[in-house]
Amino acid sequence: EDQVTQSPEALRLQEGESSSLNCSYTVSGLRGLFWYRQDPGKGPEFLFTLYSAGEEKEKERLKATLTKKESFLHITAPKPEDSATYLCAGTQGGSEKLVFGKGTKLTVNP
Amino acid sequence: SAVISQKPSRDICQRGTSLTIQCQVDSQVTMMFWYRQQPGQSLTLIATANQGSEATYESGFVIDKFPISRPNLTFSTLTVSNMSPEDSSIYLCSVMGLAGGSSYNEQFFGPGTRLTVL
Repeated sequence: EDQVTQSPEALRLQEGESSSLNCSYTVSGLRGLFWYRQDPGKGPEFLFTLYSAGEEKEKERLKATLTKKESFLHITAPKPEDSATYLCAGTQGGSEKLVFGKGTKLTVNP
Repeated sequence: SAVISQKPSRDICQRGTSLTIQCQVDSQVTMMFWYRQQPGQSLTLIATANQGSEATYESGFVIDKFPISRPNLTFSTLTVSNMSPEDSSIYLCSVMGLAGGSSYNEQFFGPGTRLTVL
């Protein structure tokens, strides 16, 4: 069964304290690995898509990387406005279905 | 990305009733999907809304419970039928393949509809 597992479930950081979120997947024939940000009461906001091992993408303080078995979302010098739940999802070849992890709830304290 | 709206944004319903949720996009899209996000759980795909034909349902979801329409390239509805408290959840539509866009494989989500069934 295809699975996406995110860790940790929750993470508290001080402003400026860099860290990484993990997403491991067992999606056979992974075609794309997606990262989303979700704020309370809102729909997921698209951040990145990664397609092949070794690929990296950056946006402001966020950088997503992909290996053959997992993806990392690195957060450099986070600010309180980065507080949100970060979701990871994978798709298989031939399907547009996103298989989501449960997310990591990030809290950045000032 | 497109602007995606959902109506209603939230509702409280009685057991045994039905609710229809609307999803409207401000530009034509190739694909539209409906997801469910139960408290503390992952987002789960309910079905793919196909224009002009029956929706494609995922395992565990059936048309009688979740009828879906997609009359054109910018609009879809999801009905939650004969509701029970277990249907309390956030329902989200997503779209893919924006007309004229370059990000075909990326899915963009609406704001969600928070449903509570008493």
